[in-house]
Amino acid sequence: EVKLVESGGGLLKPGSSLKLSCVASGFTFSNYWMHWVRQAPGKGLEWIGEIDYDGTETNFAPSLKDRFTISRDNAKNTLYLQMSSVRADDTATYFCTPSAPTAKAAISWFVYWGQGTLVTVSS
Amino acid sequence: DAVLTQSPALAVSPGERVSISCRASEGVNSYVHWYQQKAGQQPKLLIYKTSNLASGVPARFSGSGSGTDFTLTIDPVEADDTATYFCQQTWNDPRTFGGGTKLELK
Repeated sequence: EVKLVESGGGLLKPGSSLKLSCVASGFTFSNYWMHWVRQAPGKGLEWIGEIDYDGTETNFAPSLKDRFTISRDNAKNTLYLQMSSVRADDTATYFCTPSAPTAKAAISWFVYWGQGTLVTVSS
Repeated sequence: DAVLTQSPALAVSPGERVSISCRASEGVNSYVHWYQQKAGQQPKLLIYKTSNLASGVPARFSGSGSGTDFTLTIDPVEADDTATYFCQQTWNDPRTFGGGTKLELK
């Protein structure tokens, strides 16, 4: 059974930094591109970015690439999202998700999702 | 960015047929996917690549479309279908989601 468990969310002040984690199980983590998607309270879904199999390539939504970093540790089956200079509009639930098993990573949909971790940015 | 436009909300009665639309601002080939999200839960994949039913999804759900206009159809609608439905395109960078259509049952 595929399982994705995000953690690291919480309350933080504008301008600070935070690192989220996503522990994956039930599939061969190192064989999949991984993605972060976020959802502001009561709003829609926003793709944040992705990382390739071994962490050598990352891509981001243009509006976020200057403040967010994605990394992974395949030995620990763990994906990370480093957020810096956070703002109130970064308040959201953050989900991790792998590329679909049967799709090319570049055009992949998302089959499996974690429960998400809530990040609240407030002074 | 490819903008996906969805109607904000729909209300239907159980047993009826409902179509949820998703219009893209530019061509997305067939790479439109649909997700269902119930309150407090993570999204669930329903349809991938326009018309392919995801594993375990009831055949009451179907997808269609081409070019820039895509549709998710539920027939017949059941009470458990109360949720918000999102379309997503993965043909253009960055991949984007529609704003969601909230489906309410009368």
